[in-house]
Amino acid sequence: DAKTTQPPSMDCAEGRAANLPCNHSTISGNEYVYWYRQIHSQGPQYIIHGLKNNETNEMASLIITEDRKSSTLILPHATLRDTAVYYCIVRGGYSGAGSYQLTFGKGTKLSVIP
Amino acid sequence: GAGVSQSPSNKVTEKGKDVELRCDPISGHTALYWYRQSLGQGLEFLIYFQGNSAPDKSGLPSDRFSAERTGGSVSTLTIQRTQQEDSAVYLCASSLDRFSPQPQHFGDGTRLSIL
Repeated sequence: DAKTTQPPSMDCAEGRAANLPCNHSTISGNEYVYWYRQIHSQGPQYIIHGLKNNETNEMASLIITEDRKSSTLILPHATLRDTAVYYCIVRGGYSGAGSYQLTFGKGTKLSVIP
Repeated sequence: GAGVSQSPSNKVTEKGKDVELRCDPISGHTALYWYRQSLGQGLEFLIYFQGNSAPDKSGLPSDRFSAERTGGSVSTLTIQRTQQEDSAVYLCASSLDRFSPQPQHFGDGTRLSIL
């Protein structure tokens, strides 16, 4: 799987948009970008994923650059409950260990400030 | 709908005892995964099932660890003769199948403490 790079921490004011960046410059053509978050003492929570088009769901938006070497997760109106560690993961195609194992890096600790 | 359910949520046991951890995946999900997370560490892959078969057991730390899945649904992870280094949160995830890009959905884990 391609490696990802995320800033270790970020702050965001409550009610503002939180924009979390991720670099994945070695991503290959059949690899998807996934975002998860983990709130203390809970299991990782799936947020969104995409291949090359921008994606939006009820939780967030995912913007993937045209060259697919980076992406941004956008939480449009951050609340205190969005305080968590956010993980950007690249997962491979349909064969080999990279196609099913999720490799979590250190992620970005997002703190939403009142 | 119901998410991935794991039980017990917490388990404290003495060194040398056997423990059994249970995972109920999301209904209809054919792929099931076990990971563990030690304090302050990332997730460590243990094993995955496609249906009742476990094609990849390479992540199991030792032969004290085993897992099975029956009826394509519930899975149990068994640790025999537990050691203190087995203390961790054991997480289960499921996905529609392992051949599609559909995401893995996690339970809240079993926090295992070996005294």
